[in-house]
Amino acid sequence: DIQMTQSPSSLPASLGERVTISCRASQGISNNLNWYQQKPDGTIKPLIYYTSNLQSGVPSRFSGSGSGTDYSLTISSLEPEDFAMYYCQQDASFPRTFGGGTKLELK
Amino acid sequence: QVNLQESGPGIVKPSQPLSVTCSVTGYSITTSYYYWNWIRKFPGNKLEWMGYISYDGSIYYNPSLKSRISITRDTSKNQFFLQLNTVTTEDTAVYYCARDSYYYDGTYPHWYFDFWGPGTMVTVSS
Repeated sequence: DIQMTQSPSSLPASLGERVTISCRASQGISNNLNWYQQKPDGTIKPLIYYTSNLQSGVPSRFSGSGSGTDYSLTISSLEPEDFAMYYCQQDASFPRTFGGGTKLELK
Repeated sequence: QVNLQESGPGIVKPSQPLSVTCSVTGYSITTSYYYWNWIRKFPGNKLEWMGYISYDGSIYYNPSLKSRISITRDTSKNQFFLQLNTVTTEDTAVYYCARDSYYYDGTYPHWYFDFWGPGTMVTVSS
């Protein structure tokens, strides 16, 4: 199985701040990397698919980049609704696997 | 709009089977080329993909669960189902169903989970 390592696991940040979450795969995944947001009520939605494609309806302050084994999610200017859990997920091979999550918290 | 809604037992005794239903509205589960998945989130936040049933009824399971898991569907009700046998306390989790959609880059499709249900908590306890 491909192991996905996310960092940091917890990220204190302020409104308006620019933040970046990293995700490293245990082997190359050829840009088959997706990002999800989980809100405190448990609902999960996609943010970014195939490394850098913004899901419909997701604000443009979210962006993704990366290649090979290293990928990142950037939020350019934090809004109140962005404080949530974030997960990366690889779709390069089965079984699909997720990163351990990053909790974005208000500083 | 695609909507998925899980329904489950809430609590299951150890060694018993766990059964969860995903009811889909707004989209037929037999529409090509979509896949319908089960994913669970453990206490402590780890997410695990469990398996899928496809638009044509084919199935793929996570090998870590292969001996215990069964995913089936009822196309007349537009529902699909998860059964996990011989559960232990380690199967306590929030169970989600999700649709697999694809992005085509001109050469290959690339998959991601585009619609999720709200999840249902299942606790394994005697």
